[in-house]
Amino acid sequence: EVQLLESGGDLVQPGGSLRLSCAASGFPFNNYAMTWVRQAPGKGLEWVSTIIASGGSTYYADSVEGRFSISRDNSGNTLYLQLNSLRAEDTAIYYCAKTRLAAVHTYFDYWGQGTLVTVSS
Amino acid sequence: QSVLTQPPSVSGAPGQRVTISCTGSRSNIGAGYDVHWYQHLPGTAPKLLISGNTNRPSGVPDRFSGSKSDTSASLSITGLQAEDEAHYYCQSFDSSLSHWVFGTGTKLTVL
Repeated sequence: EVQLLESGGDLVQPGGSLRLSCAASGFPFNNYAMTWVRQAPGKGLEWVSTIIASGGSTYYADSVEGRFSISRDNSGNTLYLQLNSLRAEDTAIYYCAKTRLAAVHTYFDYWGQGTLVTVSS
Repeated sequence: QSVLTQPPSVSGAPGQRVTISCTGSRSNIGAGYDVHWYQHLPGTAPKLLISGNTNRPSGVPDRFSGSKSDTSASLSITGLQAEDEAHYYCQSFDSSLSHWVFGTGTKLTVL
């Protein structure tokens, strides 16, 4: 059974940093791309970032480019998202998702339950 | 504001059929990019319902079906059940933005 468990969400001040983790199990983690998706309060889903299976290529939404960094530890079956220079508009539930990477046809077949990041002074 | 537009809400009585639309443009759905659908109950993990426009993953009831035509796609749910009450999102790729995008989301209410 595929399981994805996010952690690391917290209350942080504007300009601060945070690192989110996603522990994966139930599938060969090093064979699959992984993605972070977020949902701000009262809003819909927003794609944030994707990393390929080897970790060699990463992709970011314009809204987080240069501030967030996605990485993975294939030996520890864990996905990470480093959040820097946080803004109030980054407040959201962050979900990790196992990714069926197929270029423009990519989709997300399993998701975690999310971790809440709140950016406020 | 997403480039994929969905109705904010739809509703239906138990047993009825509802359809949720996902309207895009020539830079996403109309470019031939696949559309995928997700079901999301707040506070839980989103669930993949339809991949590649029409494909149901194992375990998804055949009451759920997807279709795509020109610059739009649709999710149909037949035999509505109370447990179907949730938010539904379409997802595709947009060549103008050069990244994957979700629809604005639709809240389904089972009356």
